[in-house]
Amino acid sequence: AQTVTQSQPEMSVQEAETVTLSCTYDTSESDYYLFWYKQPPSRQMILVIRQEAYKQQNATENRFSVNFQKAAKSFSLKISDSQLGDAAMYFCAYRGYNTDKLIFGTGTRLQVFP
Amino acid sequence: NAGVMQNPRHLVRRRGQEARLRCSPMKGHSHVYWYRQLPEEGLKFMVYLQKENIIDESGMPKERFSAEFPKEGPSILRIQQVVRGDSAAYFCASSPTATLAGGEYEQYFGPGTRLTVT
Repeated sequence: AQTVTQSQPEMSVQEAETVTLSCTYDTSESDYYLFWYKQPPSRQMILVIRQEAYKQQNATENRFSVNFQKAAKSFSLKISDSQLGDAAMYFCAYRGYNTDKLIFGTGTRLQVFP
Repeated sequence: NAGVMQNPRHLVRRRGQEARLRCSPMKGHSHVYWYRQLPEEGLKFMVYLQKENIIDESGMPKERFSAEFPKEGPSILRIQQVVRGDSAAYFCASSPTATLAGGEYEQYFGPGTRLTVT
């Protein structure tokens, strides 16, 4: 069975600085998708970024980028120029190529200090 | 285009009562997913439905829980005889297409229903 592990329960960063959130996963599949979701205090789940396993190029979305290491089964999220509005829970998630359910990690709570 | 709607946002039930959670997918979406988030945990998949069909219920508890997505109307997650351990946030997500072809779709999440069992 696939599993997703986020080993950092909490992280903090100063405004305008860069922070990296870690995620590792375990799977025997060769094709799959990886996601980072943000959950602010409102609890709304917001998709931050998505990576297809067959793409070697790391995904980027404005200040958010990933470091996808397929052989190491690692998928970290880098937030550049951190803003106060980035403070939230961040969840890493996996979806197999031929399945529909998302498998989530336990989350990392990010605090941003002015 | 309205997003995924869930109601109620907060639901309080006494032990032994029934809880009904509703989810209206985004317009044009015919695939609905339910996830449960226990306190301080990530979301756990419960069930995946298409109109009038349950596609994958591998995450549903075997007893007391059921889900439906009728031809007309919202998807319903029903919990009978609730217990304190059912207290959680229940999220619904929807998508426009299936994934068997490996489609690069997104699941769009609703705001969740927080169920409290007293």
